[in-house]
Amino acid sequence: EPEVTQTPSHQVTQMGQEVILRCVPISNHLYFYWYRQILGQKVEFLVSFYNNEISEKSEIFDDQFSVERPDGSNFTLKIRSTKLEDSAMYFCATGGGYTFGSGTRLTVV
Amino acid sequence: QKEVEQNSGPLSVPEGAIASLNCTYSDRVSQSFFWYRQYSGKSPELIMSIYSNGDKEDGRFTAQLNKASQYVSLLIRDSQPSDSATYLCAVTNAGGTSYGKLTFGQGTILTVHP
Repeated sequence: EPEVTQTPSHQVTQMGQEVILRCVPISNHLYFYWYRQILGQKVEFLVSFYNNEISEKSEIFDDQFSVERPDGSNFTLKIRSTKLEDSAMYFCATGGGYTFGSGTRLTVV
Repeated sequence: QKEVEQNSGPLSVPEGAIASLNCTYSDRVSQSFFWYRQYSGKSPELIMSIYSNGDKEDGRFTAQLNKASQYVSLLIRDSQPSDSATYLCAVTNAGGTSYGKLTFGQGTILTVHP
C-alpha cells in the first residue's frame, strides 16, 4: 500500500461545485506534486509545491485550481468550479515526486 | 512539447518468458528515468529508476538506458500472471539531489498468460 494517503478515495460532485482533495504525505518530505489521469489517458502533471509555494504548474492548472498546505502536514488541491472534463483520477506525490498516493477518483456529473 | 512514447500494446507473453517494454523520449536534457506499474484503478507504483547509461538490475527487473539514442527499456524475467498490468515510463529533467515533475508515456499493457 502507498505510504501517501489521499482522501476521499472517490468523490462524486455536481458540475460547478467546489471540491477539495486531500493528501497526507510522507513526513519530512518537502516536495509535493499533483497529477491527474483521465480514464484511458496519460498521467499528467498539474503542479509542484515546495517550501509552501508553487514551484511549477502546467497549462492544465488554471485559475480554477489551487493548492495549499493548510496545517503543515496535509496538502490539498481545490477545484473551484468543477467541469465534466475534470473527471479523472487525481494523485498526489511526495519526496522526489516519485511516490504516488492512493489516488482520488473524481466524478463530475 | 516534451514527449515520452511507449508501445501501447497490448503485449502478451507466456508465464516464465521475458517481457520487454520500450520507451523513447524527446527531451535530450532528461536525466532521470522511471518505470511504474499500474494496476487497473490503482495508483502508479514505482518499480525501477535509472540515471546512468547501461543496465540496472533489481530482482526480476532490468532497466536499460541509452541516452544517446534517447531510449529506455524494462525487461521482466520469469514473467508471472501477477505482472499483468500497465507499465508507465516517466522521465524528468531533474537529477542528483534536485527534484522535478515527471512526464509520462501513455503506458504499455502487459498480459502474462499461464
